Amino acid sequence: AQKITQTQPGMFVQEKEAVTLDCTYDTSDQSYGLFWYKQPSSGEMIFLIYQGSYDEQNATEGRYSLNFQKARKSANLVISASQLGDSAMYFCAMREGADSNYQLIWGAGTKLIIKP
Amino acid sequence: DGGITQSPKYLFRKEGQNVTLSCEQNLNHDAMYWYRQDPGQGLRLIYYSQIVNDFQKGDIAEGYSVSREKKESFPLTVTSAQKNPTAFYLCASSNQWARTQETQYFGPGTRLLVL
Repeated sequence: AQKITQTQPGMFVQEKEAVTLDCTYDTSDQSYGLFWYKQPSSGEMIFLIYQGSYDEQNATEGRYSLNFQKARKSANLVISASQLGDSAMYFCAMREGADSNYQLIWGAGTKLIIKP
Repeated sequence: DGGITQSPKYLFRKEGQNVTLSCEQNLNHDAMYWYRQDPGQGLRLIYYSQIVNDFQKGDIAEGYSVSREKKESFPLTVTSAQKNPTAFYLCASSNQWARTQETQYFGPGTRLLVL
């Protein structure tokens, strides 16, 4: 079974609009971490935001926020006021604990294109 | 500036040839990782190292080898046993291994092509 599911292979969004990228995960661990990364066409993987399973508040980093719904096992990334430079691949990833050897498990990604 | 460097940016391999991808970090991180990315897919773990002189296989280690003789360096060798090596290779590091909140930081990647 997929541990990380990103159901949107691609999205087109008008510049300055907000965008939500979906991510659902599957784990039986109580302690885990959720990460979002951005990969521009250059290829480098850029860390955006982190949410811990015990964090009570949604994580925010500038224009990025994470809509964490633990009961639904979803960790959607919200980008406010999108910019042309936000066009990239976006990956959701999860890190479980010792039983999974702390490996970072990756989704297949969502390609986001911002239209001027 | 602290960061991770990978070289070369592009690498061409002939049939039957071993090639080595370089990864260096000056972040003073203990843990380092190698990932493979195929088009349209997420990352898959090849090898990881929790500390100097120690490394473990990831999900797709066959056909690859690594060494960790220095804290800042974690080179990856793609051997002739790897039958489908064409991919994008990303090196990463993190402060520690055994914490769920540990963030991994990545280098710019190496694209390997088979001639």
